[in-house]
Amino acid sequence: DAGVIQSPRHEVTEMGQEVTLRCKPISGHNSLFWYRQTMMRGLELLIYFNNNVPIDDSGMPEDRFSAKMPNASFSTLKIQPSEPRDSAVYFCASSFLARGSNTGELFFGEGSRLTVL
Amino acid sequence: GESVGLHLPTLSVQEGDNSIINCAYSNSASDYFIWYKQESGKGPQFIIDIRSNMDKRQGQRVTVLLNKTVKHLSLQIAATQPGDSAVYFCAENTGGFKTIFGAGTRLFVKA
Repeated sequence: DAGVIQSPRHEVTEMGQEVTLRCKPISGHNSLFWYRQTMMRGLELLIYFNNNVPIDDSGMPEDRFSAKMPNASFSTLKIQPSEPRDSAVYFCASSFLARGSNTGELFFGEGSRLTVL
Repeated sequence: GESVGLHLPTLSVQEGDNSIINCAYSNSASDYFIWYKQESGKGPQFIIDIRSNMDKRQGQRVTVLLNKTVKHLSLQIAATQPGDSAVYFCAENTGGFKTIFGAGTRLFVKA
């Protein structure tokens, strides 16, 4: 069974460059989440989508970060321009959340490790 | 200079013993709680969940206990195995689809 697929697995870039992280959720899931994991701050929720619509982006650090979900099978997280403090592992997760319910297991990808020099 | 990182609580247990990992959650309005396991280099993986109308739920070798009075959650692992070595996160759902993770606890299993 195909799980959540993220790319790239590793990215090293220089400060000021644009970074695009990609995620393919599990087919049939209707919710998608972007998390960032660092030693300093642990796992932080950046943004989540339901039925391709952004529901809450209050965790997005600043305007340099943007996320899109053009269709049910693809999402991107973009950082422009990137800074060294953006270095982290970025996880995408998907879930099926039934109407009127807030419960559901999150299925995580293996993460994209970003290093900004 | 040296950076100050998130120092995870660590639990070290002997193989075969039972493990208890504790978690304090913050939002009294949270009504759904989940435990995740994260192995090195991988994403978190669901272990077990519990709704706020329950105080105990059992799975295979794992039990989750919920004490809403003191906003405390625990994960018990029976007969801990080397493969259980990982970082364990409790997570709370604070409404809608928003799942917020705690800091995590690192479990070491000694053979």
